[in-house]
Amino acid sequence: QSALTQPASVSGSPGQSITISCTGTSSDVGSYNLVSWYQQHPGKAPKLMIYEVSKWPSGVSNRFSGSKSGNTASLTISGLQAEDEADYYCCSYASSRSYVFGTGTKVTVL
Amino acid sequence: EVQLLESGGGLVQPGGSLRLSCAASGFAFSGNAMSWVRQAPGKGLEWVSGINAGGFSTHYADSVKGRFTISRDNSKNTLYLQMNSLRAEDTAVYHCARDQGALVDTCTIRDWGQGTLVTVSS
Repeated sequence: QSALTQPASVSGSPGQSITISCTGTSSDVGSYNLVSWYQQHPGKAPKLMIYEVSKWPSGVSNRFSGSKSGNTASLTISGLQAEDEADYYCCSYASSRSYVFGTGTKVTVL
Repeated sequence: EVQLLESGGGLVQPGGSLRLSCAASGFAFSGNAMSWVRQAPGKGLEWVSGINAGGFSTHYADSVKGRFTISRDNSKNTLYLQMNSLRAEDTAVYHCARDQGALVDTCTIRDWGQGTLVTVSS
């Protein structure tokens, strides 16, 4: 149950697009289309942004999009806004009915 | 509105025990799997344990297996986490979390509590 690997930080200017990667193994990301993404602002609880690789919960902007290729999932934020500055975590279902989170990525809006 | 209210955190010595509770409201508690997710100070999220909607199937991260026990009382809309043999590395904010479905099988967590802080220190 090793954590999924994410870049520690990603930055972009307002209006730009950024992509956060989430690399796992064939026992988690590679085997299941069950990757979700969470946004967490300082001192707040996480918020679901994407589930099952590319689906949007109601109320989440379609500026956020998800994809997956092999053992790596990705979250793309288009039209970057100041309010998008936060920590982002991926999560995948893994074998033996467990979940594994990513290491987390701090997004900075320049 | 879904509400998840954790309680039971606090300061405990290494080797000690603590029981966390999570009072749920605003949804049909007996219809959803539930999880505990923790976050050490300044660190990332770590899934700790999950339980299916009926309470008959439980699952644990390797880091807590054999020390922690998750349970639920659907008549009281309450989730629990019994933590024994606590270690310094268990220090974290513990969040109660509502899974999307009835089984622990997606990592789609729709709702989170604000968490309760557990500090393990002598």
